[in-house]
Amino acid sequence: AQSVTQLDSQVPVFEEAPVELRCNYSSSVSVYLFWYVQYPNQGLQLLLKYLSGSTLVKSINGFEAEFNKSQTSFHLRKPSVHISDTAEYFCAVSPIQGYSTLTFGKGTMLLVSP
Amino acid sequence: EAQVTQNPRYLITVTGKKLTVTCSQNMNHEYMSWYRQDPGLGLRQIYYSMNVEVTDKGDVPEGYKVSRKEKRNFPLILESPSPNQTSLYFCASSFNRQGNNSPLHFGNGTRLTVT
Repeated sequence: AQSVTQLDSQVPVFEEAPVELRCNYSSSVSVYLFWYVQYPNQGLQLLLKYLSGSTLVKSINGFEAEFNKSQTSFHLRKPSVHISDTAEYFCAVSPIQGYSTLTFGKGTMLLVSP
Repeated sequence: EAQVTQNPRYLITVTGKKLTVTCSQNMNHEYMSWYRQDPGLGLRQIYYSMNVEVTDKGDVPEGYKVSRKEKRNFPLILESPSPNQTSLYFCASSFNRQGNNSPLHFGNGTRLTVT
């Protein structure tokens, strides 16, 4: 079984400041890693994913996440946030082999203010 | 447009009155799933389906039923709703049952209030 921990339930930040949303996971097997974003009154959308290869993955809107196997982490970062980045962010994992559904963290609310 | 459609978006009902939340996807996805989202608890899976006529329990199935008679539809049924089922519900689908090669596509949610 897998578990995902997002330590920060809420992260307030000013516009144009950098941000890091933390995600740690626990699993006895190798996993795929995902970040989903939920804008107000909408469903979740895939932001980025790590399947294999380079441990640094990037999204089209400036977010990036780095897979760190030794620390079992997949932190999400952005060097300069915009008001429009205000949303809830969910980290999720899925085992590479065998059958199991996606396991989500409890989410981190990113609040960007002017 | 590829999408997952849930109806209704908002629903207020009373304890014990049977209800159905519909979910339909137009992407020919094999895998479909229902989640509930509650403050401080994140998303918890209720039921999922790997294909037509194949369904299985998620983490919180009590009080819910599902069916998968057609590939595109995956309705969520509450036979006798109770106030603790007041929540925000999401339907999701993906081509791959683990979602590891293609992303989960989510509907816009159904906010259910049971009084």
